[in-house]
Amino acid sequence: AQSVTQLGSHVSVSEGALVLLRCNYSSSVPPYLFWYVQYPNQGLQLLLKYTTGATLVKGINGFEAEFKKSETSFHLTKPSAHMSDAAEYFCAVSEGSYIPTFGRGTSLIVHP
Amino acid sequence: SQTIHQWPATLVQPVGSPLSLECTVEGTSNPNLYWYRQAAGRGLQLLFYSVGIGQISSEVPQNLSASRPQDRQFILSSKKLLLSDSGFYLCAWSVSGGNQPQHFGDGTRLSIL
Repeated sequence: AQSVTQLGSHVSVSEGALVLLRCNYSSSVPPYLFWYVQYPNQGLQLLLKYTTGATLVKGINGFEAEFKKSETSFHLTKPSAHMSDAAEYFCAVSEGSYIPTFGRGTSLIVHP
Repeated sequence: SQTIHQWPATLVQPVGSPLSLECTVEGTSNPNLYWYRQAAGRGLQLLFYSVGIGQISSEVPQNLSASRPQDRQFILSSKKLLLSDSGFYLCAWSVSGGNQPQHFGDGTRLSIL
């Protein structure tokens, strides 16, 4: 069965600092992995996805994530945080069915 | 391009009243459709999903129901709302296939008094 764990319900960084949001998954088959961002009172927006091929995936807004099979991880990073990055971030995994499982989300707080 | 519309954006209802939330998708055919509820700090809870007209699968029982009267229309209903039904409701669509991302509406904030 598929599952996903996001470590840390809140992550706080200073503007310009590295952003690292952690996601670990469990899947019995090669997974499809997604990161979404949610701004207040809005729906989720796709940041990036991994299906097959290159394990380093680049997304919108300067974010990227690396699929590491040996560590069952798909951590989201951004070299330099911007105030506009403050939002809720969700990791999701799909085993091939069309229904992904979402993590509980990580709130990113960016300090000036 | 594809778009998804969800309304109303906010709703305040008394306990015991009925509910109808509507979601429509434009620019695609035969999408998979989903209803989620989001509570603070608890992520997304899948309520219903549909792979075609009249085909509804329920992930949670209780007093909510869903219908898909048309290919691109998905409706969430209740005959009698409970206080526990308060939350942020999100509709989403996707193309069939697990490697396809979901596309979300802007949600409905439902408050039960």
